[in-house]
Amino acid sequence: SSELTQDPAVSVALGQTVRITCQGDSLRNYFASWYQQKPGQAPVLVIYGKNNRPSGIPDRFSGSSSGNTASLTITGAQAEDEADYYCNSRDSSGNHRVFGGGTKLTVL
Amino acid sequence: EVQLVESGGGLVKPGGSLRLSCVASGFTFSTYSMNWVRQAPGKGLEWVSSISSSNYMYYADSLTGRFTISRDNAKNSLFLQMNSLRAEDTAVYYCARDLYGEYEFDYWGQGTLVTVSS
Repeated sequence: SSELTQDPAVSVALGQTVRITCQGDSLRNYFASWYQQKPGQAPVLVIYGKNNRPSGIPDRFSGSSSGNTASLTITGAQAEDEADYYCNSRDSSGNHRVFGGGTKLTVL
Repeated sequence: EVQLVESGGGLVKPGGSLRLSCVASGFTFSTYSMNWVRQAPGKGLEWVSSISSSNYMYYADSLTGRFTISRDNAKNSLFLQMNSLRAEDTAVYYCARDLYGEYEFDYWGQGTLVTVSS
C-alpha cells in the first residue's frame, strides 16, 4: 500500500507535549518527513530522515519511527505551533512520493 | 537565499491546457531534483510529479498521463504542462526542491492557483 494515514485533528495544552503519528507500509522501508503548514502559507519542512531538523526549526520538534509508524513530537507546544502537519514518504517503488492526509493541531 | 517563484496559474475551462513555470534562484538548480505538489481548496497536500537532476521523471498515478514535467537548467526553470484539465485539478500548485540527494522537500515556492471551471 502507498497510503499514509494521519489522525485528522489533535489538540494539546500550551506547554505540554504532543505526538502526531503517521502510519503506512512504506514507512517500514523509508523515513517520513514532516511539514508544517499555517493558513495561507506554503508548507515548511520541520523533520526529515531519522530525526533531523532544518536550520531554524526549534529543537522542541523531534521525529521517531517504529515499524510502520512515524511520529512527530512537539515537546512544550507553543501557540505558534498551531498548524496543519503533513507526513510524506516514498511509496514501495521508491520513486513516487505520498503525503498523509494531514493533522490539524490545536494548541489550547 | 533560495527562492522559488511559480507563475502561469489562472482560470481555464475543462479540457483546456495550462503551463506552469517555476524560476529558481540562490542555488545550483541543475544539481537538484525538483517537484510539483498541489493542494485543492481546503484539502491536503498531493504530490504531483518529480524530475531528477538527470531528467528522470515521475508522476502520480492519478494524473493518467495528462501532465508533463520538464526543466531548463540554463534558465533555472521548472515547468509543468497540464493538458485535458478537469475540475478536480483545481488547486494551488507548489514548486518544491528536494533536499540534496534526498527525497524531502526542503524549499517551497508560494504557489500558483489553477482554477478549472466553465
